[in-house]
Amino acid sequence: NAGVTQTPKFQVLKTGQSMTLQCAQDMNHEYMSWYRQDPGMGLRLIHYSVGAGITDQGEVPNGYNVSRSTTEDFPLRLLSAAPSQTSVYFCASSYQTLGGTEAFFGQGTRLTVV
Amino acid sequence: GENVEQHPSTLSVQEGDSAVIKCTYSDSASNYFPWYKQELGKRPQLIIDIRSNVGEKKDQRIAVTLNKTAKHFSLHITETQPEDSAVYFCAALKTSYDKVIFGPGTSLSVIP
Repeated sequence: NAGVTQTPKFQVLKTGQSMTLQCAQDMNHEYMSWYRQDPGMGLRLIHYSVGAGITDQGEVPNGYNVSRSTTEDFPLRLLSAAPSQTSVYFCASSYQTLGGTEAFFGQGTRLTVV
Repeated sequence: GENVEQHPSTLSVQEGDSAVIKCTYSDSASNYFPWYKQELGKRPQLIIDIRSNVGEKKDQRIAVTLNKTAKHFSLHITETQPEDSAVYFCAALKTSYDKVIFGPGTSLSVIP
């Protein structure tokens, strides 16, 4: 049981480049989300999804796109990378139940934009 | 989504002392309150959670208390150890369909 898998673990981009951060979970979780964590700061929600075909914006969605074509995958796309997007990105997933359940996080992707 | 405040932002305690972190929330309908621990360079992991029908929950040296009237909940760590050093995040949810917004985090340092 792999849990939540993020790829790549590290990435360096040049300003203006685009890329996709991959996130996959094998726990049949309906809820998936992406967070960014800047040095010394908390987890800020970028986008989230409550099921296949459904996505919505979080606190800091600008510059990012997501899609949810399957229950398992929730990729995050950076359209035109900027230095301000240098951060550690975490994907998380959880079951949908009344009242909320434990969120399982991936190991993170450290992205540097130069 | 819920708005969660967390205090203090940093906390330093001597090994063996207790540590308390407090979170306040704005939506009285929130009913699920998890706490996550993130060690340096690692992913956040759930350490304890509480639901609104319970006032207190304990797991060994960790406890969480909930005051629904005042809309705040607290994490209590007793007999702190160096391995408790980490950043701790809280959250408050109404339903599992809520977007999960975390508090800003508390960096706990346990001094040997």
